[in-house]
Amino acid sequence: QQQVKQSPQSLIVQKGGISIINCAYENTAFDYFPWYQQFPGKGPALLIAIRPDVSEKKEGRFTISFNKSAKQFSLHIMDSQPGDSATYFCAASGGRTGANNLFFGTGTRLTVIP
Amino acid sequence: DSGVTQTPKHLITATGQRVTLRCSPRSGDLSVYWYQQSLDQGLQFLIQYYNGEERAKGNILERFSAQQFPDLHSELNLSSLELGDSALYFCASSPRAHYYNSPLHFGNGTRLTVT
Repeated sequence: QQQVKQSPQSLIVQKGGISIINCAYENTAFDYFPWYQQFPGKGPALLIAIRPDVSEKKEGRFTISFNKSAKQFSLHIMDSQPGDSATYFCAASGGRTGANNLFFGTGTRLTVIP
Repeated sequence: DSGVTQTPKHLITATGQRVTLRCSPRSGDLSVYWYQQSLDQGLQFLIQYYNGEERAKGNILERFSAQQFPDLHSELNLSSLELGDSALYFCASSPRAHYYNSPLHFGNGTRLTVT
């Protein structure tokens, strides 16, 4: 059972455009929602994370939007660049499932066309 | 470079065999996590060790086991290997038992191929 559902599976965006990746979860006990970026041949690296007490968090060109009532959160990449081409994973953890058990989405492969 | 070292990078073995994957965490990190990444399942949490003790367990098969040694490096042992065990295995580390305020740092993984 997939605890975190991620879409789309792949995304192609023109340079300078906005990339949007969406995730949804069911477990209302989740209280930590990070996004990871993974380049080919590398391990995932933390990009940005949010707690449910805020609806938005911005770091540079990357923004997480969080909708607690809808149990959804999304990553927006503004002014997308070819160097942003990577696979992005959303994740969630918390509650009885164990705060140390980070549930990942299945990933979105982003391609930014020059 | 995350500072987490995983060896070997690639491993090819036959069904029924046993292999050991090794992870050296970042300097100063006490927690080590193991994840399995396959094409159809994404990243799956296997197990966490903190300062030598098992801290949390995820979807780890009984054929798999792990340990963390006094020097904090960790090993993941996979036995009676099946074709379906072919995957990327990642190790991650963090300073404390809980990663809320200290992000996980992942190594570059070990690609296991079972033939």
